Amino acid sequence: DGGITQSPKYLFRKEGQNVTLSCEQNLNHDAMYWYRQDPGQGLRLIYYSQIVNDFQKGDIAEGYSVSREKKESFPLTVTSAQKNPTAFYLCASSNRPRDTIYFGEGSWLTVV
Amino acid sequence: DQQVKQNSPSLSVQEGRISILNCDYTNSMFDYFLWYKKYPAEGPTFLISISSIKDKNEDGRFTVFLNKSAKHLSLHIVPSQPGDSAVYFCAARQGGSEKLVFGKGTKLTVNP
Repeated sequence: DGGITQSPKYLFRKEGQNVTLSCEQNLNHDAMYWYRQDPGQGLRLIYYSQIVNDFQKGDIAEGYSVSREKKESFPLTVTSAQKNPTAFYLCASSNRPRDTIYFGEGSWLTVV
Repeated sequence: DQQVKQNSPSLSVQEGRISILNCDYTNSMFDYFLWYKKYPAEGPTFLISISSIKDKNEDGRFTVFLNKSAKHLSLHIVPSQPGDSAVYFCAARQGGSEKLVFGKGTKLTVNP
């Protein structure tokens, strides 16, 4: 069953702790993305990667870090430097960087 | 500065009637547009797209119209079904860019 798998679905963390969200795809897509959605807002791009071992900052990269060591994996770390980390995080991928983007099911992060 | 605007936060229609969701953009360099549908706590699902070289694209009950001179696109759903109730996001991309810019979404409710 091909798709994009995000885990965990729900995550609670204390303020000041780093947390890593997992994203795995078995679609053999080259490009992968992380978006953030806040209530009543559109999706905003955090980071994207067009190829293994390469990634670029999106519009709201501050307080986040990523890695792309394998084609199928693109984990996102939300660091303690992110001022408002509570949000719905969406991982996505596309066959090539400018193809249609397909999304995973999302991860809810709540920081208390 | 919002480059993609969905000015109606919500829309309510009767089952069987037409739903028209609107989207305006300000960046004349956008050349590819997409519509996504999103249920609560799930990732967005790709619906339909259109290139700037076209003014209409159809896929079953879904039709997207593009008016480049007005920088406006619309999604028509005919006939509307209760299962279409969701938030619909308009997104746009500039030629040569990997980034999708999203609107804030319109919540569609189709009443039986």
